[in-house]
Amino acid sequence: DTGVSQDPRHKITKRGQNVTFRCDPISEHNRLYWYRQTLGQGPEFLTYFQNEAQLEKSRLLSDRFSAERPKGSFSTLEIQRTEQGDSAMYLCASSLSSDSYEQYFGPGTRLTVT
Amino acid sequence: GQSLEQPSEVTAVEGAIVQINCTYQTSGFYGLSWYQQHDGGAPTFLSYNALDGLEETGRFSSFLSRSDSYGYLLLQELQMKDSASYFCAVRDRDKIIFGKGTRLHILP
Repeated sequence: DTGVSQDPRHKITKRGQNVTFRCDPISEHNRLYWYRQTLGQGPEFLTYFQNEAQLEKSRLLSDRFSAERPKGSFSTLEIQRTEQGDSAMYLCASSLSSDSYEQYFGPGTRLTVT
Repeated sequence: GQSLEQPSEVTAVEGAIVQINCTYQTSGFYGLSWYQQHDGGAPTFLSYNALDGLEETGRFSSFLSRSDSYGYLLLQELQMKDSASYFCAVRDRDKIIFGKGTRLHILP
């Protein structure tokens, strides 16, 4: 399978714990995006990378969230001191280049904070 | 601010045609996309309009009027597998802003 993969698919954690998610984009894709989606809503932009550079971070993203793409390949999204409001589906998407309008989404990581 | 408006739900009959409308207000606009998402699945790309007019891809067509900040997705010959949520999304240079989605129910 050469699509976007995410790990884990599901994560249940207690409030206050830290969690880290991983995304592996399609191998030749330079752009990588993170979104959050809650029930009945569309994907909400969090941040994106061009290769290893993080170019934009949503103002909605608190300081508890951090993302990296150290070698321009896979990316991690870490949430520190999780809160119940962080419960959501976290989606990763990639696109070939800055000119690409089509994004390819991974299956997502469903986070439940208890 | 940025906002996209689309109906929350639409119901249609198998074999029929349905149109899902989208109006948008965004600070930047490079094009309008449509994505399909089945329950429990990932969004998948359907179509993209950068210029005014109609784009056709099989049973799906998408239309854009930039002067009206309006677009629609047209689904023809509806099949039960088309039951899903459909999102319009504005490309704002480097990122995509999604609407809240339209849940399409198809009756046999």
